[in-house]
Formats: sequence, structure tokens, C-alpha cells
Amino acid sequence: QVQLVESGGGVVQPGRSLRLSCGAFGFTFRDHGMHWVRQAPGKGLEWVAVIWDDGSNEYYAASVKGRFTISRDDSKNTLYLQMNSLRAEDTAIYYCARDEPRGTYFHYWGQGTLVTVSS
Amino acid sequence: QSALTQLASVSGSSGQSITISCTGTSSDVAAYNYVSWYQQHPGKAPKLLIYDVNRRPSGVSNRFSGSKSGNTASLTISGLRPEDEADYYCSSYTISSTYVFGTGTQVTVL
Repeated sequence: QVQLVESGGGVVQPGRSLRLSCGAFGFTFRDHGMHWVRQAPGKGLEWVAVIWDDGSNEYYAASVKGRFTISRDDSKNTLYLQMNSLRAEDTAIYYCARDEPRGTYFHYWGQGTLVTVSS
Repeated sequence: QSALTQLASVSGSSGQSITISCTGTSSDVAAYNYVSWYQQHPGKAPKLLIYDVNRRPSGVSNRFSGSKSGNTASLTISGLRPEDEADYYCSSYTISSTYVFGTGTQVTVL
């Protein structure tokens, strides 16, 4: 069955960098666009970024554009989120999510990894 | 891109029907039939309930249904059950090829 497993979260100081990973299992990874979605403590969901199935395009939320980079390694069935210049407001659970071919929704979700930006 | 607008909370008795609304703009909800809905229980990852406005993924109860009119989408839960108590979020694809979520609605089953 489809499984997404995030890792790489932790506590980081403001201004520093962190890279999140999302391992994909149970499906053909290269056939699907992948997203990162975050949720600050006690708050709602916020879409962060998407990378197309073929890796040809990436799009970002305005709040992270220029600081975060989404990427994928289809040989490792892994999605990444490189987060630079981290701010306190980036503190959140980060979920990876899979879409469907030609789909515009988040069909499967991982359990999330917590990123805390604090000095 | 501002979040789509949802009422903060909605409540209903077991067996009743409730409707959650999601209001966007001409750049998102009104632009495409690409609205989806998610259910999130405390401490859990969100779960897809509805996609493309009114389509249900396999395994989702037919008590959940979606619709859209103009820049407002709606999720209806029929035959409300205690396990439906959760947070619900809408999402829309936008004309900028990005995505936006709603502010979220907490559903309480009385």
C-alpha cells in the first residue's frame, strides 16, 4: 500500500538551514507529483510547494519562495525540502503528500515531521 | 494568496446533515473545478474526502458530498456520526499553478 515517511525534522536556530526527506513506498514514485504541506501548532493547513512528476516544474507558496527548494530523486524514491533562512514562523509539522496523474489534490499523506525554529 | 474562508465551527446532532462552506475568489475556487476537501482528526494526518468538487475517492463514505457555485464550494455531511467530529479543510488549485487551503472548520457532533 502507499506509504509516505517524512524525516529530518528537529530544532533549528533562526537563520539556519534544514533538509526534510520523504520516502515513498508502495507505488511508482516517478508517476506522481509531490507536495509539501505544513501546519503550525494549533493552526490550519498551509500548502508549501509542489514538484511535478517529471521534475520539470516547481511552484512555491509566497511565504517560502526564495528560501525553500523542493526536489526529488526518483532513483531513491525520495522527495526533499531544503529550507534555508528559517524563521520562527516556519515552525510547523511538515507533511509530504502525493497527487494523482493530472490531479490537483492531495491523495495520500505522510504522518509529518516537526520543525521547530527557535533560539 | 489568501486562505479560502471557512466558518470556524459548525455543529449538528447525530443523524442530522450539516454543510460546510468554503469561499474563494475568481483566481481559485471560481476558476476551476479543482476543489478538494480533507478531514483531520487531532494528532493525525489529513485524509482526502472529496476531489474535483464532487468526486469521492474509493473507500470514502457516500455520506460525504461536495458541490460548488461560483466562488463558493460546499461539503455536506449526511447522517452525522460521532466519528465525524474533526477539522475539515477545503483546498483549491489556483490560476498561478499553486494551491490554497481554507481556514478550516471544526465540526462538533452534539
